[in-house]
Amino acid sequence: NAGVTQTPKFQVLKTGQSMTLQCAQDMNHNSMYWYRQDPGMGLRLIYYSASEGTTDKGEVPNGYNVSRLNKREFSLRLESAAPSQTSVYFCASSEKSRTSGGQETQYFGPGTRLLVL
Amino acid sequence: GNSVTQMEGPVTLSEEAFLTINCTYTATGYPSLFWYVQYPGEGLQLLLKATKADDKGSNKGFEATYRKETTSFHLEKGSVQVSDSAVYFCALTRGGYSTLTFGKGTMLLVSP
Repeated sequence: NAGVTQTPKFQVLKTGQSMTLQCAQDMNHNSMYWYRQDPGMGLRLIYYSASEGTTDKGEVPNGYNVSRLNKREFSLRLESAAPSQTSVYFCASSEKSRTSGGQETQYFGPGTRLLVL
Repeated sequence: GNSVTQMEGPVTLSEEAFLTINCTYTATGYPSLFWYVQYPGEGLQLLLKATKADDKGSNKGFEATYRKETTSFHLEKGSVQVSDSAVYFCALTRGGYSTLTFGKGTMLLVSP
């Protein structure tokens, strides 16, 4: 099992450019998440998808869109990148069930480092 | 709202020293509590968790006890190794919901 994979590993953008970060998991998990990690801020949730076909905003959704393409894949799109979006982006997945009640483990990908100039 | 507060780092220790990283939380309902670890250049991985009051999570010599009366989940290890050098994140999920709220992370540096 590869677990959670993310592409690309690194990306440099100019202000105003767009890009899509890709994430895939092979663990048959229902739920997927996008976080950003900034120095001194911990990880903050951007969007999540509790199950295929649903998406919800997290703590910092502005400037981002997401697509849950199928059960395996969850992409994050920056339509018009800004320097404030320079960060490390992590995708995660978990197997939430009706009985897991928030106790399930989230599995993280290796991250995408994004620099917006 | 929910929040997690961790001690600021870096925490610098010599090998075989005792480790404590403090974590306190604010949450409604009955949260589950987690410690995640991030090694240099990698994503986060679960270290341990506790899902109800007085539970003790443990893994790889680390342990933490869910203390509802003090709203705390402090991470401890009796004898740290150089390989434990990493950033440690305390986190919670509010009862029934899966989205994690993280603390800011504490960097641990262990020297030989």
